[in-house]
Amino acid sequence: ETGVTQTPRHLVMGMTNKKSLKCEQHLGHNAMYWYKQSAKKPLELMFVYNFKEQTENNSVPSRFSPECPNSSHLFLHLHTLQPEDSALYLCASSQGASGPETQYFGPGTRLLVL
Amino acid sequence: AQSVTQLDSHVSVSEGTPVLLRCNYSSSYSPSLFWYVQHPNKGLQLLLKYTSAATLVKGINGFEAEFKKSETSFHLTKPSAHMSDAAEYFCVVTNQGGKLIFGQGTELSVKP
Repeated sequence: ETGVTQTPRHLVMGMTNKKSLKCEQHLGHNAMYWYKQSAKKPLELMFVYNFKEQTENNSVPSRFSPECPNSSHLFLHLHTLQPEDSALYLCASSQGASGPETQYFGPGTRLLVL
Repeated sequence: AQSVTQLDSHVSVSEGTPVLLRCNYSSSYSPSLFWYVQHPNKGLQLLLKYTSAATLVKGINGFEAEFKKSETSFHLTKPSAHMSDAAEYFCVVTNQGGKLIFGQGTELSVKP
């Protein structure tokens, strides 16, 4: 186990629903990340938080809203998603966010938007 | 800008034969390079990491990779494939800000 957990593991939602993805890391890290993994495409970095502050928003649509209440928890709030948002959403953490840090990944939430 | 190219989208080997997964990178400075593995329905697990120390890096599960600056390559190898090695493998380079730039992945199949 990598010490990064994600819930739920699977989620099906309609385009008008609101849902949240949760990530928790038990590694004492200071940086947390959200990635999107779509079929046949490289992993796309979405958001970076370092010491609870957002340091990166990689041009992500506003229908995705991250929240980082503390260094151990990271949420991704979802509303009015589109079918093309269906993907595996991966959370990761690292000691810091400014150097070539090793990132540790959770198992992901597989999201299907109908 | 940094980029990474995995030269094969799919590699198939027989159990007990060598594995070679190819990766070329582009970087304007000395990069850090990683290989991650992703088994079905699992997150990414770090196999090994190069950070300008020894050019031959040994990782978990018998994998190793060699950093070749002249060839801008960081190929992943294993002498003898096991059925449990079947997974998707990602070559990753860091940019100067420390962000990870992922390759598109190579799916490894292992035949009995």
